This record gives sequence, structure tokens and C-alpha cells, in this order.
Amino acid sequence: DTGVSQDPRHKITKRGQNVTFRCDPISEHNHLYWYRQTLGQGPEFLTYFQNEAQLEKSRLLSDRFSAERPKGSFSTLEIQRTEQGDSAMYLCASSLLTYGYTFGSGTRLTVV
Amino acid sequence: GNSVTQMEGPVTLSEEAFLTINCTYTATGYPSLFWYVQYPGEGLQLLLKATKADDKGSNKGFEATYRKETTSFHLEKGSVQVSDSAVYFCALSDPTGANSKLTFGKGITLSVRP
Repeated sequence: DTGVSQDPRHKITKRGQNVTFRCDPISEHNHLYWYRQTLGQGPEFLTYFQNEAQLEKSRLLSDRFSAERPKGSFSTLEIQRTEQGDSAMYLCASSLLTYGYTFGSGTRLTVV
Repeated sequence: GNSVTQMEGPVTLSEEAFLTINCTYTATGYPSLFWYVQYPGEGLQLLLKATKADDKGSNKGFEATYRKETTSFHLEKGSVQVSDSAVYFCALSDPTGANSKLTFGKGITLSVRP
């Protein structure tokens, strides 16, 4: 059990570019969550997967955002046509039950 | 909708001082309540939790009691250490949903000086 891994740790991109982040949950965890954390704020829920099924998406997840979890293992979060307002820490968490999360260290995105 | 309100920060204390961080919530139903801690450069870690009214969560000398009558879950520690310096988040899980997504407060930065 190596915890929840997120890659990359940091990403700097130019406005308008697409970016993709990866999350590797703890291997037996079938629940996976993405959150976004901006400076001075608590994390905000973005989306939830149970196995490979995306069961809930927040209104924060505009149509420029897409998330997948093929085969119920790792997950990716893609942001298309990035905007400066997308700059944030993107957190992934996984759990075996529906609570008792383990969070990853996050991917910090800076859009310039 | 659900919400969590934390006291304004930051908080600076001397080592061995008593700590209280206030947290109140608004939710329909009966949420589970959590305190998470984020040390510099690290991910969020669960510090303690309580799942029903009057439950007390405790860990590493920290305690919080689920008070339904005041909709509060204040975090306390009798004697803080320099190593407790971190950001603390209060959170609740959606009592009506099936996926237990969390609603977080804004967090408060605690600095403990020697």
C-alpha cells in the first residue's frame, strides 16, 4: 500500500492549452474522488467514481473538464482550453468504504 | 445546501498552550463530521471523525465532540506542540447522498512557536 499517487506534482501551462492529470488510487479502493482547492479555501468536490462508473459530477465541472476511470483503476482529469481561473491544487482521494478517504498530495496547476 | 464555517485565522500559539478551533455546520439530516490536517507539502490526512450526535473523536491528543444542538464540532488540544503547525479543515459528509462526498470549511492555519 503506497497510498494515493498523483502525477505530476506541479504543472505550469499557458492559457488555452490542454492538461491531463493522473491519479493512482490504493489498489483495492473502488471509490475515487476528485476535489479542487484554491488558495485560502477548503477543497471542493468535483466528481466521484465507483469502479469505472462516474456517478456524480459537480456543477463546478464545466464542459472543459472531463474525468475518466477506465477499468476502475487509475483515473485521469483533463482540462481543455485552460483559463487562469483553473489555477488550483487538484486533489484525488480513494476509499474502500464510502468514507475513510485517503488523499493524494495533489497536482498544483498554474495557468499563465 | 450543506456548509461548514470555521473561525477566521491564522492562529499563532506558544508551545504547550491550549487550542480551540471552532467549527459549525449546516446540513439536512445527520452528517458525519471530520477534522482533516494538512502539513506543509503534504496531502490532507484524516485527524478524527464522529458519526453521530454526542460522539467524541480523538487522535494525537486532539478531541472534538459532535454537538447536534449547537451544530458544532470544535477541535481542542490541551497542549500544542511545534509539530502541530499545519492547516486544519473541518468537513462533513453528505448525509443524503450515496457517495459521502465531503464539504469542507475554508481551513485555518495554526502556527506553534517554541
